Amino acid sequence: DAGVIQSPRHEVTEMGQEVTLRCKPISGHDYLFWYRQTMMRGLELLIYFNNNVPIDDSGMPEDRFSAKMPNASFSTLKIQPSEPRDSAVYFCASGIAPYEQYFGPGTRLTVT
Amino acid sequence: AQSVSQHNHHVILSEAASLELGCNYSYGGTVNLFWYVQYPGQHLQLLLKYFSGDPLVKGIKGFEAEFIKSKFSFNLRKPSVQWSDTAEYFCAVSPGSQGNLIFGKGTKLSVKP
Repeated sequence: DAGVIQSPRHEVTEMGQEVTLRCKPISGHDYLFWYRQTMMRGLELLIYFNNNVPIDDSGMPEDRFSAKMPNASFSTLKIQPSEPRDSAVYFCASGIAPYEQYFGPGTRLTVT
Repeated sequence: AQSVSQHNHHVILSEAASLELGCNYSYGGTVNLFWYVQYPGQHLQLLLKYFSGDPLVKGIKGFEAEFIKSKFSFNLRKPSVQWSDTAEYFCAVSPGSQGNLIFGKGTKLSVKP
């Protein structure tokens, strides 16, 4: 298995632009998680899905952030409009249980 | 609210020194416990996990962790560190039998050759 796949690996964008991060979970994993990692705040859970349904989005910082999982093999995290404080590494993880999580390589987002 | 505390922000050791990283959690019920490692520029990888049974858990690369229920602790140990162990280490707790992972803020380990 290729593991969790994320794209792009690096994204540089200007403030105000829309950013879309993509994730392909490991086949057969029913759970998918989006995390954000910064030096200041560490690793934060943004949202997670079970069987494509959002279960807990309490970690989503504000309405500018949205996440979707249209099918079992694809999820997106969108930021619109982006701001410099959104600069971080965004990780996607998947698992067969909420506590068994396999992480993707991450997307390093820089908003200028 | 449940939380995970990692007391050391940055630990610096010389090669061959012994390592112990602290992790405490606040949850009174059943927990599953994990240590993840993040090498520089890479993603988090599972180092070891505890669900039940022997409280001394052995993981990859010579790491082990001990679950002490009375102390709500799950400290990570390695008898002799190597330069390649330089990484950030995250403790995580899953409260209950089906809870999500709650991560600590991480401990950065730097091993001097």
